[in-house]
This record gives sequence, structure tokens and C-alpha cells, in this order.
Amino acid sequence: GAVVSQHPSRVICKSGTSVKIECRSLDFQATTMFWYRQFPKQSLMLMATSNEGSKATYEQGVEKDKFLINHASLTLSTLTVTSAHPEDSSFYICSARGGTGLKGYTFGSGTRLTVV
Amino acid sequence: DAKTTQPTSMDCAEGRAANLPCNHSTISGNEYVYWYRQIHSQGPQYIIHGLKNNETNEMASLIITEDRKSSTLILPHATLRDTAVYYCIVYFGNEKLTFGTGTRLTIIP
Repeated sequence: GAVVSQHPSRVICKSGTSVKIECRSLDFQATTMFWYRQFPKQSLMLMATSNEGSKATYEQGVEKDKFLINHASLTLSTLTVTSAHPEDSSFYICSARGGTGLKGYTFGSGTRLTVV
Repeated sequence: DAKTTQPTSMDCAEGRAANLPCNHSTISGNEYVYWYRQIHSQGPQYIIHGLKNNETNEMASLIITEDRKSSTLILPHATLRDTAVYYCIVYFGNEKLTFGTGTRLTIIP
């Protein structure tokens, strides 16, 4: 149990376009999801906390107009990178709390975004 | 800020036990110790967690010192597939997870 599906796994887009990444909890309801980004050989950096039915909470230094988060249902959160630039190229990972009890958080498999 | 300190990297021979240490000297009484690992280009995977007692599951064992200021993750018979970055994290309840730098474990054939 407690599976989080993230899609797409890889995406290449042109500068100036927007990219949407989906994060779904498959067998449990997730009122809260988290979005991370990870640069090569670095640790995961929390970007924002996504709450179902309300606005996301962004970490300091993360542009909320650049990284739009929508958590419209108990099983789906989306991250849209708007007007992407090469410096937005990164590994994006979502996680969800719920369905695993004290086993903590379940993570998606990540999305490798390359902006050309 | 991460509340844990881990060695940057470690090597372990295949088939031997891998012992990964973690210091969490500021851990509070209700915080659990969690271990996750991240294989290259994948999302982190839950391994094990504990409060104060030692724990064992099908993946690993977790040894927590009596004062709870440090712990050791033990992979009893390391395989090449255990090569990954291992993260030790302390938290309680509904906190958001903060990742430290983790330990890059390399299993040597």
C-alpha cells in the first residue's frame, strides 16, 4: 500500500513554455503533499507544502508565481513550472503523507525536467 | 535546518554488513528517527523508523543509543543494489521533512 505516482518521469521543454507535473496518491487519500527539487549531487530541497482545497505554502525563496501548485482533490497535486528557463532544469519529487501510518512519507519516482 | 549529522560517504564490501551512523544530539522526546534511501534518479524510499527501541524489518536494523542522541542503520548483507544515498531524519507527526546531505553508500563488488 501507499503508492505515489508521479508523471511524467522525464520532460524536455523549450524556454518560455510551461510544464505540468502530476503527483497522485494511488491507494490512499493525501490531504497534504510536498514538492521538492534536487540538483545533481545535492540533497532534496523542500519547495512547498500542498494542502487539499487551500493555497500552498511556499518555502522561503521559492517563487509562487513561477511554481504553481494545485491540490484540487485528495489524490492529486500538480506542480506547474511557468515560463521555464534552463536554470529550472532539475529533478522534481513529490511526496504525500497518509496511508502509511507511522511509516512516514511516501515519495513519487521523480520528474527530470530539462529546459532547452 | 537538518537536525542530523551523517558521514558524507562510505564504502562497504558486497555481502558484508553496512553500518551507517547518524548523530541527532538535539532530538526531542517525541521525535522519531527515520531512515530513507535514494537510489540514483529515483524518489526516496522508506527503510525503517524507531523511537527508542531497536527495530528490525526485512530491509534493515536500527540501533538507537539509550540517550537517543545517535543511531546506526545496519544493512546486514549488503548487495550492489544497496548503493544509494541514505538519509537519517528526525521528526514527529505532521512536520515537513527536511533532508540533510545524507551518506553516499557504495557497495564494492
